[in-house]
Amino acid sequence: DVKVTQSSRYLVKRTGEKVFLECVQDMDHENMFWYRQDPGLGLRLIYFSYDVKMKEKGDIPEGYSVSREKKERFSLILESASTNQTSMYLCASSFSEGGLTEAFFGQGTRLTVV
Amino acid sequence: AQSVSQHNHHVILSEAASLELGCNYSYGGTVNLFWYVQYPGQHLQLLLKYFSGDPLVKGIKGFEAEFIKSKFSFNLRKPSVQWSDTAEYFCAVSRKGTGNQFYFGTGTSLTVIP
Repeated sequence: DVKVTQSSRYLVKRTGEKVFLECVQDMDHENMFWYRQDPGLGLRLIYFSYDVKMKEKGDIPEGYSVSREKKERFSLILESASTNQTSMYLCASSFSEGGLTEAFFGQGTRLTVV
Repeated sequence: AQSVSQHNHHVILSEAASLELGCNYSYGGTVNLFWYVQYPGQHLQLLLKYFSGDPLVKGIKGFEAEFIKSKFSFNLRKPSVQWSDTAEYFCAVSRKGTGNQFYFGTGTSLTVIP
């Protein structure tokens, strides 16, 4: 079974803190994604990566950055957390174009910024 | 704007009622189509997917969906819902040739009353 593991289920951080959300997948997937999930807004793509050290902005990248130094790990960074970044963050991974594929999701990290 | 639209935001049904959740997308070209389900407190799981071939696809737990290309639709159906189907349902589209990005609808919350 594919496993996508997010390092924390719940996080509480203070405004202005630098926050790291970590995600690891064990299926050698090329693609990895970070979404945030908010009620009534569905899943919105923050960033995705199609290879090590490669990244593309999604629909809502402002206030976020990412790092992918190894194929299995994709980190989301909130440079200076703000209260409007309180949300559920979902990591996903998938094989790249050319194969039958779907996205596999982690359990999510519920981040509260106070 | 290109998008994935789910028409029903919140659906309440009694057990044994039939279910149909609408999904329309506005992307041109060849697409892959997915329905994901998120049970309370759990991660997003794939319910079913369409890549090619028979436009009527069957998924887990008695769910099925029909791809109607002319209508850009991929509606989810189940003939008889159970209380355990209470969950949030997301339609998603990935477009071939875009690095396998996934675009999600805003979700439909289904409550099944025993």
